[in-house]
Amino acid sequence: EIVLTQSPATLSLSPGERATLSCRASQSVGTFLAWYQQKPGQAPRLLIYDASDRATGIPARFSGSGSGTDFTLTISSLEPEDFAVYYCQQRVNWPPVVTFGGGTKVEIK
Amino acid sequence: EGQLVESGGGLVQPGGSLRLSCSVSGFSFSRYGMHWVRQAPGKGLELVSSIRSNGDRTYYADAVKGRFTISRDDSKNTLYLQMSGLRVEDTAVYYCVKDEDPAVLSAVFGYWGQGTLVTVSS
Repeated sequence: EIVLTQSPATLSLSPGERATLSCRASQSVGTFLAWYQQKPGQAPRLLIYDASDRATGIPARFSGSGSGTDFTLTISSLEPEDFAVYYCQQRVNWPPVVTFGGGTKVEIK
Repeated sequence: EGQLVESGGGLVQPGGSLRLSCSVSGFSFSRYGMHWVRQAPGKGLELVSSIRSNGDRTYYADAVKGRFTISRDDSKNTLYLQMSGLRVEDTAVYYCVKDEDPAVLSAVFGYWGQGTLVTVSS
């Protein structure tokens, strides 16, 4: 099973700062990696798929990069609504297997 | 993106059964593969089950195989998850999720309902 490790577990930043979130896979997933945002009490929302493609309606301040085993989600300038938990997900062995990372919480400093 | 509304969650004893429903509107349901993803309280995300747009193929996580059944009724724009032999560890919010790709079941989770809570406890 491919394990996704997200770091850091918590990122404390101020609005306007740049956020850099990491997702590392235990073996190569190519570019079959997606990122989701989840706010408290809400369902997750797709941000990025195939490592770097923004989903419909996602602001340009969100960008994804990487391939193989190392991936990054960057939020160029944090808005108040961006403080949330972010999950990565891989699908290289789909079907039937997908796995999610454990999440990174971006909190207000 | 449309709207996905789950129902059917609640409190059930270990060994019991529940059927979750997901009523869909605002997009062409029959064109899309669908998924159920769950999240235990305070925990991460886990894909439970998936079904192709024409219903001919279904997939299950090992943890639920043989106990859960996914199905769809395109005439009612509704996705189902029949759960039996429920265990304490099945306690979670269950989300109905639309696949991002109308052409294939891609396992990119494009749009999520608000979820329904299933609690398995004696």
